[in-house]
Amino acid sequence: DAGVTQSPTHLIKTRGQQVTLRCSPKSGHDTVSWYQQALGQGPQFIFQYYEEEERQRGNFPDRFSGHQFPNYSSELNVNALLLGDSALYLCASSLDPTPTYEQYFGPGTRLTVT
Amino acid sequence: TQLLEQSPQFLSIQEGENLTVYCNSSSVFSSLQWYRQEPGEGPVLLVTVVTGGEVKKLKRLTFQFGDARKDSSLHITAAQPGDTGLYLCAGGGDAGGTSYGKLTFGQGTILTVHP
Repeated sequence: DAGVTQSPTHLIKTRGQQVTLRCSPKSGHDTVSWYQQALGQGPQFIFQYYEEEERQRGNFPDRFSGHQFPNYSSELNVNALLLGDSALYLCASSLDPTPTYEQYFGPGTRLTVT
Repeated sequence: TQLLEQSPQFLSIQEGENLTVYCNSSSVFSSLQWYRQEPGEGPVLLVTVVTGGEVKKLKRLTFQFGDARKDSSLHITAAQPGDTGLYLCAGGGDAGGTSYGKLTFGQGTILTVHP
């Protein structure tokens, strides 16, 4: 049973550049959520995708955008990178509806902006 | 805005000691999860509690959800070095009870168990 996978594992970008991160959900799951985790902090919710549409969004600027594909995989795009965007980006999957709110996380992508 | 406050932020103990981590909010959550995260990895789900007053045990770990569904605790008995890691609580939903949406995380408790 394949768990949540993310690519790439690590990424180094320069301020002002754009980045795309990828996620494949756990087998059987149809909902993907993205979180940003700064060093020493808990994850912060960016947005959630279901049926190829953004269903819920956290307090992140429009520079953060996403996409979900028909096979339920997802991408997170960040434009005009800032130093403060350096963080671990986590993808989590679940099966809708999820009254228990259980989500299963991937290993994350470590983004460093220089 | 829903917030979760975790305490303590850091915990350094000797092998064999007991410990409790607390997770508190002024908001009601439909459910609460506890995760454990190791450096460079994603959080791993330990348990989900959904009913006020619920207690769940997982070997040496005991999880409790407050009666009002605003707080939770994690108790570890006879801690071992393998328990070392970042422990995160996360709340899902609210009193209105939708069946999807974000998790709100606490800031985490870094536990170090010395042999």
